Amino acid sequence: QVQLQESGPGLVKPSQTLSLTCTVSGGSISSDTYYWSWIRQHPTRGLEWIGYIYYSGSTSGSTFYNPSLKSRVTISIDTSKNQFSLNLRSVTAADTAVYYCVRDLSTWGQGTLVTVSS
Amino acid sequence: DVVMTQSPLSLSVTLGQPASISCRSSQSLVYSDGITYLNWFQQRPGQSPRRLVYQVSKRDSGVPDRFSGSGSGTDFTLKISRVEAEDVGVYFCMQGTHWPGTFGQGTKVEMK
Repeated sequence: QVQLQESGPGLVKPSQTLSLTCTVSGGSISSDTYYWSWIRQHPTRGLEWIGYIYYSGSTSGSTFYNPSLKSRVTISIDTSKNQFSLNLRSVTAADTAVYYCVRDLSTWGQGTLVTVSS
Repeated sequence: DVVMTQSPLSLSVTLGQPASISCRSSQSLVYSDGITYLNWFQQRPGQSPRRLVYQVSKRDSGVPDRFSGSGSGTDFTLKISRVEAEDVGVYFCMQGTHWPGTFGQGTKVEMK
C-alpha cells in the first residue's frame, strides 16, 4: 500500500522560501498515471489545494497551480528518488499551515506543520 | 473560485442514530464529461483527512456502507445511517470539477 511522508523545515522566516518534500513508499511514483498534490490546512481558513503535478510516466509532468498562489509556487517530481516537492516563495505569516502531500485525493501524508515567523 | 457551503457546521449525534450533512456549491459541479466530481472527507481528531466518497456517491475502499453520498448539480448530502463512536470528527465536502478544487468549511460531528 502506498504511503506518503512529508519532510522539511517546521519554521520558515518571512520572505524566505518554504520547501517541502514528499517521499513515496510502497509504490513507484512513475508507475502509473496519478496526480500528486500539495494541500494545506490553515488554522482558521480551512483546506486549500495548492497545486498538483500530473505525471504520465513518459513526460516530465504537467503542473496545475491554484491561481491565488501561482506566482509563488513550484511543484516538481524526482522519479529517481521517488519524491515530489513543493517550493513556496516569499512566504508570510498567512502561509502558516499544515501541509499535506496527497495522491489522487485518496492517499494523504500525515501532514507537517510549517510556521512562518521571524 | 467555486464556494462550497456546508450545513450544519456542528452536529451533535446519538450513538446508533442517523446523521446528515448538506453541501451546496455556488455553481453546477457537472463536468463536461458528464461526471460530477464531488467528494466527501472525514478528518478524525489528530489525523489527516480521509476520503470517504467520490463522484457524489461512490464509496472509497474500506469505507463502511453506513456512509452514503447523494445529490446532483449544486446540492449534495452525506448520510450516516447509524452513527458509531469512531465517526466523531470533521467532515468536508470538496469539488474537483472546477480548478482550483475547493473545500467546504467543515462540519464537526460529536457525540451527545
